[in-house]
Amino acid sequence: DAGVIQSPRHEVTEMGQEVTLRCKPISGHNSLFWYRQTMMRGLELLIYFNNNVPIDDSGMPEDRFSAKMPNASFSTLKIQPSEPRDSAVYFCASRSGPDTQYFGPGTRLTVL
Amino acid sequence: GQQLNQSPQSMFIQEGEDVSMNCTSSSIFNTWLWYKQDPGEGPVLLIALYKAGELTSNGRLTAQFGITRKDSFLNISASIPSDVGIYFCAGSMTTDSWGKLQFGAGTQVVVTP
Repeated sequence: DAGVIQSPRHEVTEMGQEVTLRCKPISGHNSLFWYRQTMMRGLELLIYFNNNVPIDDSGMPEDRFSAKMPNASFSTLKIQPSEPRDSAVYFCASRSGPDTQYFGPGTRLTVL
Repeated sequence: GQQLNQSPQSMFIQEGEDVSMNCTSSSIFNTWLWYKQDPGEGPVLLIALYKAGELTSNGRLTAQFGITRKDSFLNISASIPSDVGIYFCAGSMTTDSWGKLQFGAGTQVVVTP
């Protein structure tokens, strides 16, 4: 079975540009999570969805960040405009059983 | 950010030695999970614990859910070079029924031949 799929794996962009990260959860999973990982702050939960509905977006840093889940097999995380401090690895995870989450390989974002 | 205290931050061990790490929380958790992250990859689930006092093994890995529900331990026996990586604990609080996890800061394990 395919795991969580994320694209792109690497993204380098310039400050002010729009960035869109994509995620395909494991088929049949009904919860999807977006995380950000940095050396300073570790793994931070940004937002999560249950049955395509955003449940908690309290971790989203600011209005420049937005996330959507138009259907059960696809989600996007958008940053507009991007800033150098947004540089991090962004992970998507999906959930099957109680509390067990399966992570994708991540997108390494560098904002110059 | 992390609300779990994970220790140690790093470990340098020789191949064949056992490894122990733990996580503590000021809050009660109803689930503890242990993940391993290799460089350039996402965390991979190793062991999931759902009951206080539960002891679960996965090969050379053994994890326990503390009786107080505020801590968990992970042991790796007879370490081998491929055990190198960062190990994270994660917990889900009793009142959170949506599976929102909190993560520890990680334990970096380095195994030398």
